[in-house]
Amino acid sequence: GQNIDQPTEMTATEGAIVQINCTYQTSGFNGLFWYQQHAGEAPTFLSYNVLDGLEEKGRFSSFLSRSKGYSYLLLKELQMKDSASYLCATPNQAGTALIFGKGTTLSVSS
Amino acid sequence: NAGVTQTPKFRILKIGQSMTLQCAQDMNHNYMYWYRQDPGMGLKLIYYSVGAGITDKGEVPNGYNVSRSTTEDFPLRLELAAPSQTSVYFCASSYTAQNEQFFGPGTRLTVL
Repeated sequence: GQNIDQPTEMTATEGAIVQINCTYQTSGFNGLFWYQQHAGEAPTFLSYNVLDGLEEKGRFSSFLSRSKGYSYLLLKELQMKDSASYLCATPNQAGTALIFGKGTTLSVSS
Repeated sequence: NAGVTQTPKFRILKIGQSMTLQCAQDMNHNYMYWYRQDPGMGLKLIYYSVGAGITDKGEVPNGYNVSRSTTEDFPLRLELAAPSQTSVYFCASSYTAQNEQFFGPGTRLTVL
């Protein structure tokens, strides 16, 4: 089976750096996705890691360790608009659909 | 391109009523998905399709049906609505499961 774990909530202040962790257990690995979802809106794609290491995209970076079943999303120079839910997801065993974690709600305060 | 569109945006149903949630995409994606999202929860996969004429069950298919007669459209049918089906429903599409999924704006359904 598959299992994805993320913290439920995190808080941080503007300008800070925050790391959102995700651990997963899957019988076949086909990559790890991160999505951002603002309240009342649809999820939007942030990143996809299939190889170990850190991938940077502006203020957002995503890290993957396949041997540890672990990923994190790093957000730098936090802004109020970064307050959202961050969803970790990995393809199912058949590689036909995504299985999502419950999401981490990040609150950024001034 | 409109991307992924969903109708209606909101709907209130009575217990036992039926309805169809519409989803369409204009990106020529083979893969399409239906998710439901309950408050404070992640996305649960209801059904998905890897191409026209091919559908398969996700994690929570009970109480729902789908069809995929064209590449563009992937409607979700609720036959006998129950309060447990009160949720936000998202449709999404992608080239493959290893590609970015594009989501529609969602349908907020309440069953009373």
